[in-house]
Amino acid sequence: NAGVTQTPKFQVLKTGQSMTLQCAQDMNHNSMYWYRQDPGMGLRLIYYSASEGTTDKGEVPNGYNVSRLNKREFSLRLESAAPSQTSVYFCASTPPAGGPYEQYFGPGTRLTVT
Amino acid sequence: RKEVEQDPGPFNVPEGATVAFNCTYSNSASQSFFWYRQDCRKEPKLLMSVYSSGNEDGRFTAQLNRASQYISLLIRDSKLSDSATYLCVVNEFGNEKLTFGTGTRLTIIP
Repeated sequence: NAGVTQTPKFQVLKTGQSMTLQCAQDMNHNSMYWYRQDPGMGLRLIYYSASEGTTDKGEVPNGYNVSRLNKREFSLRLESAAPSQTSVYFCASTPPAGGPYEQYFGPGTRLTVT
Repeated sequence: RKEVEQDPGPFNVPEGATVAFNCTYSNSASQSFFWYRQDCRKEPKLLMSVYSSGNEDGRFTAQLNRASQYISLLIRDSKLSDSATYLCVVNEFGNEKLTFGTGTRLTIIP
């Protein structure tokens, strides 16, 4: 199993450009998550999806949209990138309900917006 | 007040020493507790879950104090490979979302 995979690993955007971060998991997990990690801020939840076809906002959803394409894939889209979105983005997934909700993370995407 | 608070460190500890971190949480409805480890420029990985009775995994011991709302991690006989950032994580009952602390940075010195 590859676990959780993310593409791209690195990306530089200019202000106003758009892009989609891809995430896929092959562990048959139901729930998937998108986080951003900034120095001194810890991991902050952007959006999550409890199952295929459902998505919910997390702590910092503004400026982002998501798509749960199927059980395996959960993408994050920046429609008009801003310098404040410079961050490391992690995707994660969780095994089916029953707790204790251990999350498995992808390797991250390092995004710089200039 | 942050939901999960940790001393950011850094803790610089000689190899072979014992080191302990604490973490406090504010939500009394928190039900599940974890320690994650994050190496520099890598993703977080689960180190261990924290159970009410306390639990041990090799050189690592985790404790939970519900009355005072804190969890702790003790590392004995520290190794150079223990150098990392340790994230305290809590989960509210019935909620799949996890709340992460900002992490405690540990460096083991030869």
